[in-house]
Amino acid sequence: QVQLQESGPGLVKPSQTLSLTCTVSGGSISSGSYYWSWIRQPAGKGLEWIGRIYTSGSTNYNPSLKSRVTISVDTSKNQFSLKLSSVTAADTAVYYCARGLIEIDYWGQGTLVTVSS
Amino acid sequence: QSALTQPASVSGSPGQSITISCTGTSSDVGGYNYVSWYQQHPGKAPKLMIYEVSNRPSGVSNRFSGSKSGNTASLTISGLQAEDEADYYCSSYTSSSTLEVFGTGTKVTVL
Repeated sequence: QVQLQESGPGLVKPSQTLSLTCTVSGGSISSGSYYWSWIRQPAGKGLEWIGRIYTSGSTNYNPSLKSRVTISVDTSKNQFSLKLSSVTAADTAVYYCARGLIEIDYWGQGTLVTVSS
Repeated sequence: QSALTQPASVSGSPGQSITISCTGTSSDVGGYNYVSWYQQHPGKAPKLMIYEVSNRPSGVSNRFSGSKSGNTASLTISGLQAEDEADYYCSSYTSSSTLEVFGTGTKVTVL
């Protein structure tokens, strides 16, 4: 059974970089043909796709965030990571890591990141 | 890429059937048979309920069914139960560079 777990600071100051890591267990992140995604959800609002990385290492990002987002993978640690730069209060949200494209079958539990000084 | 349009809320009594719509365009919902539905309870991660328009993952109740007509996909919950009270999101493959677009979300209330 594949499991995903987000980790990282729960509080980030404005203008700084938000960094989160997703650790995958129960399966190798580099096996199969999967997309590994980051999705966020501001309190009381809907899901917003941030970006994804494919098993091959190729990435694509939400155009509205593209200039600030980097997603990378560390296959030796079975992890993938999110960096979002120049954050503002509008980036406060629960951040989920997940596996899949359209059919997202595995999700992390989510981690709340608050942007505040 | 605009979000797919869902009604903000849908309600029904226990035992009834309800249907949630998800309206897109010919570039997403209407153009591909790649529509999924997710259920999200408060404070929890979304759960995949339907994929490829009408397929249920293992373990999902057969009270949940999906369909599509033109640019609109639908999720029907039959025999509504208290545990079905949650937010529901659709998603679709899209021809845009993002490849995927989510719906605006629907809150289902069991009266």
